[in-house]
Amino acid sequence: QVQMVQSGVEVKEPGASVKVSCKASGYTFTEKGITWVRQAPGQGLECMGWINPHNGNTKYAEKFQGRVTMTTDTSTSTAYMELRSLRSDDTAVYYCAKEWAGWFDPWGQGTLVTVSS
Amino acid sequence: QSALTQPASVSGSPGQSITISCTGSTSDVGSNNYVSWYQQHPGKSPKLVIYDVSNRPSGVSDRFSGSKSANTASLTISGLQTEDEADYYCSSYRPSTISWVFGGGTKVTVL
Repeated sequence: QVQMVQSGVEVKEPGASVKVSCKASGYTFTEKGITWVRQAPGQGLECMGWINPHNGNTKYAEKFQGRVTMTTDTSTSTAYMELRSLRSDDTAVYYCAKEWAGWFDPWGQGTLVTVSS
Repeated sequence: QSALTQPASVSGSPGQSITISCTGSTSDVGSNNYVSWYQQHPGKSPKLVIYDVSNRPSGVSDRFSGSKSANTASLTISGLQTEDEADYYCSSYRPSTISWVFGGGTKVTVL
């Protein structure tokens, strides 16, 4: 079955960068996009952006422009999300999800990123 | 502040029906049928329960249904069960920014 398996917990200091991975299996990796969504503690879902593994095209939410980079490695069916210049309010669970024509399914298990000095 | 507006909480007794609203604008919900709904239990990842306004993925109970009128989408859960107690989020595509927006989430409580 289709699965998205993400990398483990990260603890970073303010100003650092984090790179979260998302390994896809059970489907042809290049046939659908990957979306990244984050959820701060006790808060709702926030879309960070999207990448097309077929051609590497990306679309980032305006809020994260200049601070986020999404990439893929088609040889390992893995997507990556790097967020730079981390602040305390970047503390959140970061999810990847397979993007269909307007909806997301399935989602990864989530990666907790804690930003603290 | 979330782009789409949902009630913070909705409750109902077992067996009853409840409806969660999701209000957007002509820039998102009102402009296309790419509205989806997600169920999230505490500590778990979101799970798709409705896509394209009213379609149910394979394996999702037929007690879940979706609809849309103008700028407001709705999720109805009929025959409420204790396992339905969770947070629910709506999402819509926003063509002008080529992006997706979410509602703030609704906590469903089964009394």
